[in-house]
Amino acid sequence: SQQGEEDPQALSIQEGENATMNCSYKTSINNLQWYRQNSGRGLVHLILIRSNEREKHSGRLRVTLDTSKKSSSLLITASRAADTASYFCATDRGAQKLVFGQGTRLTINP
Amino acid sequence: NAGVTQTPKFRVLKTGQSMTLLCAQDMNHEYMYWYRQDPGMGLRLIHYSVGEGTTAKGEVPDGYNVSRLKKQNFLLGLESAAPSQTSVYFCASSYPGLAEQFFGPGTRLTVL
Repeated sequence: SQQGEEDPQALSIQEGENATMNCSYKTSINNLQWYRQNSGRGLVHLILIRSNEREKHSGRLRVTLDTSKKSSSLLITASRAADTASYFCATDRGAQKLVFGQGTRLTINP
Repeated sequence: NAGVTQTPKFRVLKTGQSMTLLCAQDMNHEYMYWYRQDPGMGLRLIHYSVGEGTTAKGEVPDGYNVSRLKKQNFLLGLESAAPSQTSVYFCASSYPGLAEQFFGPGTRLTVL
């Protein structure tokens, strides 16, 4: 069964706008990770947030984690055409086995 | 470094045929994983390995077998392919204490 539920399933915005994607999960976790997948390619790791962290930044990426609500959000600021991709959250419940959400398809319109 | 590579990139099988997918990594990672990705389903873990000579079942192991005879290689076998195994298969690797996984480019398998 899928651990994460991502919202929205698809998002289309204008270049320069901010994009926010949400992920909810069901059980306790060690960490939560976000990955990007360009069309026809493998997944690329973006950022990791541990269960004892609430917010983390990496360049134009900002991730938050609310363990009480079992949810996380990924914010991409000042979006670019190259950000067009699918974004997946993945939870690590232990033993470094990841459980992935269904993903959000992000389209950046020029 | 090539990272994680997968062979083949594409394959079409008939129902009942067998095949082996090869994953190789040159990062000296202990852990290796096989996932399948179906439309709208995200990635699901098939089998994984925490070291040479060891394998374990993941979330959807039925119909697949794996072997890890060498640290750098992880093989996924389909003994009798079924149309339900039509999917994109991804291999990934990592090492203990490193949460991030490194993914290969994928193998697109169609079973007719």
